[in-house]
Amino acid sequence: RKEVEQDPGPFNVPEGATVAFNCTYSNSASQSFFWYRQDCRKEPKLLMSVYSSGNEDGRFTAQLNRASQYISLLIRDSKLSDSATYLCVVNSRTFGNEKLTFGTGTRLTIIP
Amino acid sequence: AAGVIQSPRHLIKEKRETATLKCYPIPRHDTVYWYQQGPGQDPQFLISFYEKMQSDKGSIPDRFSAQQFSDYHSELNMSSLELGDSALYFCASSLRAASYEQYFGPGTRLTVT
Repeated sequence: RKEVEQDPGPFNVPEGATVAFNCTYSNSASQSFFWYRQDCRKEPKLLMSVYSSGNEDGRFTAQLNRASQYISLLIRDSKLSDSATYLCVVNSRTFGNEKLTFGTGTRLTIIP
Repeated sequence: AAGVIQSPRHLIKEKRETATLKCYPIPRHDTVYWYQQGPGQDPQFLISFYEKMQSDKGSIPDRFSAQQFSDYHSELNMSSLELGDSALYFCASSLRAASYEQYFGPGTRLTVT
């Protein structure tokens, strides 16, 4: 079982719709959580960090449920430019060192 | 704002050759990470450095080595290249005292023929 699991999709969503992704992680000692987006053949770009209290950035809302070990991302009023792969990323810290573990990503296509 | 710089952006090598990839982190960032992303795969962590010392090691083959220099730039050295080493290699940097958010460079696309 992968340490970070996501539904790979693809999600094909009409422009203007709301779409939600979930992600689960297995390491209960994980400390930091992020959503990155990656366009084809480009680098992952940090979309937002995910905090226990939940956080919102414009059309994007992220939630963390530590008890159930899942993270969610909600995109409202989706735009064509939101088409990308969304990566759920978990930071596990051990002995002061830390590394990111990536989910396999969820492919989103916004349809005009 | 300054971003992570990687060079070269594209590299073509033959089997059994050696390659060196370079990474220049965001100014004042103290930690550098290397990732390998194969076609259709998620990025796999290779190795990281904090303040010029190796801090964590992932799935890095013994044929690969890396270091971070006094100016904080890092190099990934890859020897005895194999066809399976063809991938995108990303470098990321972060500031440990901050939120551990990692910022990625544009990557080096390595093709081994």
